[in-house]
Amino acid sequence: DAGITQSPRYKITETGRQVTLMCHQTWSHSYMFWYRQDLGHGLRLIYYSAAADITDKGEVPDGYVVSRSKTENFPLTLESATRSQTSVYFCASSEDRGRSPLHFGNGTRLTVT
Amino acid sequence: SQQGEEDPQALSIQEGENATMNCSYKTSINNLQWYRQNSGRGLVHLILIRSNEREKHSGRLRVTLDTSKKSSSLLITASRAADTASYFCATDYTGANSKLTFGKGITLSVRP
Repeated sequence: DAGITQSPRYKITETGRQVTLMCHQTWSHSYMFWYRQDLGHGLRLIYYSAAADITDKGEVPDGYVVSRSKTENFPLTLESATRSQTSVYFCASSEDRGRSPLHFGNGTRLTVT
Repeated sequence: SQQGEEDPQALSIQEGENATMNCSYKTSINNLQWYRQNSGRGLVHLILIRSNEREKHSGRLRVTLDTSKKSSSLLITASRAADTASYFCATDYTGANSKLTFGKGITLSVRP
């Protein structure tokens, strides 16, 4: 079945550790996005990618790194995790940047202790 | 911030009643989208309305868009307990580097 898969579903890590969240889509959508969801803030865009090897910053990129060597994968790395990065992270894909619906994964709940 | 604002923040209704949720935004848009999020899950797209459209329907959902007031409403008719979820509006603002921007969401509770 076509879809978007995030892993892991839950992750607990310590401050200062590097963490990578994985995202894989099977639609061959050009665009992929990373959002974080926090109470009181809604969804905020971290990074997005228009195609393989093309990435750009969103609203809250500090402390995060992305790469997109293949169209279907868009990993998000927290280089040195901080408690403020405790959040639920959602990956999404779309045919277009904002003019088509986004398809979301089920999220990764990350806790930084 | 260009974040849209939903209103009310929370809504509790009885099964069978209609639920109306509103979204206001700040600048010109290409389209506005509504999403639903069930607890512990990702967002699911409900409906997209373009800036040159005034109303769209999808099953029990009716969305209106008033670009002069920069607002949209989502009406769910004959609500069911399964409609209990958070609802988000997202706006695609015009501009070269625009991206879909989400509001903070409305929590809808439908009592059986």
